[in-house]
Amino acid sequence: GDSVTQMEGPVTLSEEAFLTINCTYTATGYPSLFWYVQYPGEGLQLLLKATKADDKGSNKGFEATYRKETTSFHLEKGSVQVSDSAVYFCALSGVVSGATNKLIFGTGTLLAVQP
Amino acid sequence: KAGVTQTPRYLIKTRGQQVTLSCSPISGHRSVSWYQQTPGQGLQFLFEYFSETQRNKGNFPGRFSGRQFSNSRSEMNVSTLELGDSALYLCASSSPPRQGDGYTFGSGTRLTVV
Repeated sequence: GDSVTQMEGPVTLSEEAFLTINCTYTATGYPSLFWYVQYPGEGLQLLLKATKADDKGSNKGFEATYRKETTSFHLEKGSVQVSDSAVYFCALSGVVSGATNKLIFGTGTLLAVQP
Repeated sequence: KAGVTQTPRYLIKTRGQQVTLSCSPISGHRSVSWYQQTPGQGLQFLFEYFSETQRNKGNFPGRFSGRQFSNSRSEMNVSTLELGDSALYLCASSSPPRQGDGYTFGSGTRLTVV
């Protein structure tokens, strides 16, 4: 079945460092790919998305490119801030038995940014 | 516009009891899905509703059920609670249920079973 694998955390960085969180997926067909972020005590917020190969999603300085040839959707940010500290989830959405929008999540990566 | 509203935010129940959680989607959104989040299993899909019909169901026992009303509000019910049902239950809405839209999530209901 469809699945998402993302790098284990925690990832600890100093402020203004470069961030990469790796995400690879296995899916039939052409899934849409997402990054969600979860701050302590809150639900999930959609960070960015890409719906087809070579699309680049971007938001708040974060970027990720849908790479079909490597089945990857790595999250990057050039300069992280303390406020970026959160758990990041990679997810895919595909068609399952005719029903759409079922999200399959990775295990999440905790990012801790130190001042 | 108002986001996805889940009530209650926190709940403590005893083993064997049942519980009902409520979710009000964003106005105009007709698709509602539920997810369970636990430290051990991560985020797992429970079910999805669209126009009062269950379109998809995850791999959970029959003790977990849900429904959607004509105004798109949704409830999920867990009967005969077990300690392992302690989790954060997240509701999400989208409109229409297109693959690439993603979801808007609520803040969740934290259920503790003692």
